[in-house]
Amino acid sequence: DARVTQTPRHKVTEMGQEVTMRCQPILGHNTVFWYRQTMMQGLELLAYFRNRAPLDDSGMPKDRFSAEMPDATLATLKIQPSEPRDSAVYFCASGPHLLAGGGGTQYFGPGTRLTVL
Amino acid sequence: KQEVTQIPAALSVPEGENLVLNCSFTDSAIYNLQWFRQDPGKGLTSLLLIQSSQREQTSGRLNASLDKSSGRSTLYIAASQPGDSATYLCAVITGANNLFFGTGTRLTVIP
Repeated sequence: DARVTQTPRHKVTEMGQEVTMRCQPILGHNTVFWYRQTMMQGLELLAYFRNRAPLDDSGMPKDRFSAEMPDATLATLKIQPSEPRDSAVYFCASGPHLLAGGGGTQYFGPGTRLTVL
Repeated sequence: KQEVTQIPAALSVPEGENLVLNCSFTDSAIYNLQWFRQDPGKGLTSLLLIQSSQREQTSGRLNASLDKSSGRSTLYIAASQPGDSATYLCAVITGANNLFFGTGTRLTVIP
């Protein structure tokens, strides 16, 4: 049963520290998304990639956030330096190529719960 | 367990019509409800977020209502345009910060 995996599941860090979150998309999916979820703002799209190329990162604070896909099996989201307001659950999702069917369905990982003190 | 259902699954309307999309959820103990738009191959775009204490939110031609006691939300789109064609998803967030998505409504607005 293929699924999106994310590590770590939980992260507690101090303000100013670097945080790296990792995501392994479902094998064969060519689109990868990063979302941030907070109770007040709900789910927000941060960035997404297709065939490892960044297509849209307009939802991401550029000064401290960066997203990359070093290869097809790994996507990373990095925050440097982290701030308390970054505390949230960060979700990764992947989706198959549109021509493969699925209607653009996204498969979500379990999320990384980040707490910045 | 929270279950979120959206009706209809697909809808086609001529341009200019007003329309309503429905979302229902089984557990009324939600923190908020969010409506998204999804274009093929793209990320989810948040349209409206309604806190559990609110009854509706408006943004441009969109109006979303929430009735927690009956477990229902509606998304009203006024004067539909071809650019509104997309899949619309609702999602509820529980106090445990768990996100439950509906099945989506695929909307086609015909010019």
